[in-house]
Amino acid sequence: ETGVTQSPTHLIKTRGQQVTLRCSSQSGHNTVSWYQQALGQGPQFIFQYYREEENGRGNFPPRFSGLQFPNYSSELNVNALELDDSALYLCASKAAANTGELFFGEGSRLTVL
Amino acid sequence: DQQVKQNSPSLSVQEGRISILNCDYTNSMFDYFLWYKKYPAEGPTFLISISSIKDKNEDGRFTVFLNKSAKHLSLHIVPSQPGDSAVYFCAASEISSGSARQLTFGSGTQLTVLP
Repeated sequence: ETGVTQSPTHLIKTRGQQVTLRCSSQSGHNTVSWYQQALGQGPQFIFQYYREEENGRGNFPPRFSGLQFPNYSSELNVNALELDDSALYLCASKAAANTGELFFGEGSRLTVL
Repeated sequence: DQQVKQNSPSLSVQEGRISILNCDYTNSMFDYFLWYKKYPAEGPTFLISISSIKDKNEDGRFTVFLNKSAKHLSLHIVPSQPGDSAVYFCAASEISSGSARQLTFGSGTQLTVLP
């Protein structure tokens, strides 16, 4: 069984740039969520995708957007990067949209200079 | 406003002893609670969960207790082992609009088990 994989693992951007992070869901999982974990804090919910549609969103501005593809892989896009966007971005998948248990990837560490 | 709080940023225990990690929540709509463990440079790993219709769930060395009236849950690890040293996150879940279940996490407790 293949777990959740994310790419890239680390990246550095400058303020105002755009970034795309990628995620492959665990085999058999049709729901993917993205979380932002700032230093010293717990992960914060960005949004969730189920069958290629966003079906839940946390308190993040519209410059955070996402996609889910027919193979259930996903992208997180962040436009107009700000210094406070520096964080670990975690992708998580689960077998169904309304269950609670998430399986996380190792994360993408984004540094905005 | 933090809906899930872990007030102890760190905890140290001796190997073989019990570790007790605590978590408080404020949202009465939460109906499912989970504990995750996180090692450095890895994503969080699911440990154990409990539904709000129960007050205890046990899995090997790990037991989670839920006190709904106090809006409090705790994770007990017995006996503690050095490999348990990690950051432990408490998380809570509710059904939101669109049938999505998002997790709300606490800020984590760093557990160190001393040999």
